[in-house]
Amino acid sequence: GQNIDQPTEMTATEGAIVQINCTYQTSGFNGLFWYQQHAGEAPTFLSYNVLDGLEEKGRFSSFLSRSKGYSYLLLKELQMKDSASYLCAVNSGTYKYIFGTGTRLKVLA
Amino acid sequence: IAGITQAPTSQILAAGRRMTLRCTQDMRHNAMYWYRQDLGLGLRLIHYSNTAGTTGKGEVPDGYSVSRANTDDFPLTLASAVPSQTSVYFCASSTTEYNEQFFGPGTRLTVL
Repeated sequence: GQNIDQPTEMTATEGAIVQINCTYQTSGFNGLFWYQQHAGEAPTFLSYNVLDGLEEKGRFSSFLSRSKGYSYLLLKELQMKDSASYLCAVNSGTYKYIFGTGTRLKVLA
Repeated sequence: IAGITQAPTSQILAAGRRMTLRCTQDMRHNAMYWYRQDLGLGLRLIHYSNTAGTTGKGEVPDGYSVSRANTDDFPLTLASAVPSQTSVYFCASSTTEYNEQFFGPGTRLTVL
């Protein structure tokens, strides 16, 4: 089968760095996406990786290792507004999107 | 319209009734999607469309149908609603299937 695993919940302190891991087992791979979703709102796009390595966008970075089926999202200089769920999603084939259940991040003052 | 909109915002529906969830985008995106989001299960793809006039089945298509008469609109119909279809429904769009998706605000549907 196809599945994506992420931790259910994480807690970190304002100003700190947090790494959210995602492991995947899929029949194909056309790219991995990270989305942020605040409670009661729609997911919004954060980052995309299709090749191995690190992609950096401001305070957010995402890493991919295709051989290990592994990705992480790194959030630096955490702010209270970063409290949200972070969704890992893989495009595993033609219009085959598999989403993880999400990691709920709580940022404490 | 700016981006992608959905209607209604929420709905309570009696089992057996027919319901259409509406989705409209103004970004001229070719691809559109319908997902349902349930606690502990994450987002699951119901149906998709890669261009006007073409639709396809996602992971959980049973009990749902879609149409894509033009680029902007992608309605989702529940022909005869059942309680297991209680969920939050998100519509999304993207330029192609390989690009990031833009999500609508969601429709919270309760089937009693």
